[in-house]
Amino acid sequence: EVVLTQSPLSLRVTPGQAASISCRSSRSLVYRDGNTYLTWFHQRPGQSPRRLIYKVSDRDSGVPDRFSGRGSDSAFTLRISRVEAEDAGVYYCMQGTHWPETYGQGTKLEIK
Amino acid sequence: QVQLVQSGSELKKPGASVKVSCKASGYTFNTYGVSWLRQAPGQRPEWMAWISTNDGDTTYAEKFQDRVTMTTDTSTSTVYMELRRLRSDDTAVYYCATDRGHEFWGQGTLVTVSS
Repeated sequence: EVVLTQSPLSLRVTPGQAASISCRSSRSLVYRDGNTYLTWFHQRPGQSPRRLIYKVSDRDSGVPDRFSGRGSDSAFTLRISRVEAEDAGVYYCMQGTHWPETYGQGTKLEIK
Repeated sequence: QVQLVQSGSELKKPGASVKVSCKASGYTFNTYGVSWLRQAPGQRPEWMAWISTNDGDTTYAEKFQDRVTMTTDTSTSTVYMELRRLRSDDTAVYYCATDRGHEFWGQGTLVTVSS
């Protein structure tokens, strides 16, 4: 299985400041069709995960543009340009390139 | 809008089976396949299985291959996941989600396995 390693595992950010989360894969996530199936989810306590970003950098409908994804091959980053209180929760990266899909261990974002 | 509504919480004894449902609405049922995932307390999500709502084709994670079955009822736009021979470490919230990209998720179903 592909192992995804996120860092940091937790971070505390003041509202208005930026935050970045790294996700590194044990293998290249480029699929034979040329796409890279790296996805980011946000999960608040007691809620289902919500998809934010797919195929590295495509933002889902309704996701604020302060969320952005970047990266290639086996190194990826989720960036929140100006953190807001509603951004608190756990962020997971997920790869769908190699079967079975796998998840990073999660990064807990706390708002100061 | 796309909605996936799951059945309610379950309390089961070790060795029993559980069947969780996921009713889709807001779109043509066979537009998306459906995946099942689970999340134990404090853990990351874990993918279990996927079913095509077109032809019923299924793919199961090796870990669950001999214990899980996914089925569909196209007349009610519902997908079912049955997990057999339950153990205490199967205690988790079980989610359905659209296809392999997981754009949309159900609200989750807590399955507790305890004697």
